[in-house]
Amino acid sequence: QAQLVESGGGVVQPGTSLRLSCAGSGFTFSTYDMHWVRQAPGKGLEWAAVISHDGSYKNYGDSVKGRFTISRDNFRNTLYLQMNSLRSGDTAVYYCARGGVGGSPRALDIWGQGTMVTVSS
Amino acid sequence: QSVLTQPPSVSGAPGQRVTISCTGSSSNIGAGYDVHWYQQLPGTAPKLLIYVNNNRPSGVPDRFSGSKSGTSASLAISGLQAEDEADYYCQSYDTSLSALYVFGTGTKVTVL
Repeated sequence: QAQLVESGGGVVQPGTSLRLSCAGSGFTFSTYDMHWVRQAPGKGLEWAAVISHDGSYKNYGDSVKGRFTISRDNFRNTLYLQMNSLRSGDTAVYYCARGGVGGSPRALDIWGQGTMVTVSS
Repeated sequence: QSVLTQPPSVSGAPGQRVTISCTGSSSNIGAGYDVHWYQQLPGTAPKLLIYVNNNRPSGVPDRFSGSKSGTSASLAISGLQAEDEADYYCQSYDTSLSALYVFGTGTKVTVL
């Protein structure tokens, strides 16, 4: 069945960088838009970034724009989130999700288990 | 802060019906964009519950239903069960901000 598995989280200091990965399996990864959504401890969901199926379109939420970069490798069925200039406010569980089900916008129908990023000195 | 507003909490006894509102504006729900709903059980990743306003993915019980009207949407849970205790989020698209994909503020459902 379709599955997403995130990796790369950890504890980092403010101002440093981290790259998250999300491996897709059980579906044709290259045909779906992909998203990153984050959730700070005890808080709600916050959409962070989207990339189109072929990587030609990318968009970001205001809180990460200019610092985070979303990318994908369709040969490796992997989604990435490069996070630079990390701040304490970026502390969150980061989920990757598939934009899979019809509609405008498409619903996020498959989610990974999440990877925790903690930014602390 | 989110542009989609939900009540922080709702509660009901087992077997009762509860509804969760998702209030938007003319730049999101009112502009005709679809609304999706997600359920997040404690300590787990969100799960798609309702898509395109009122459609249930395979495996989601028909106790869950969605609707949309004007600038708002609603999620109804009928025959409330203990396993429904979770956080619920609506989601849509907004053209007034550069954060195009927006989630609601979230609602905690408590089964009494």
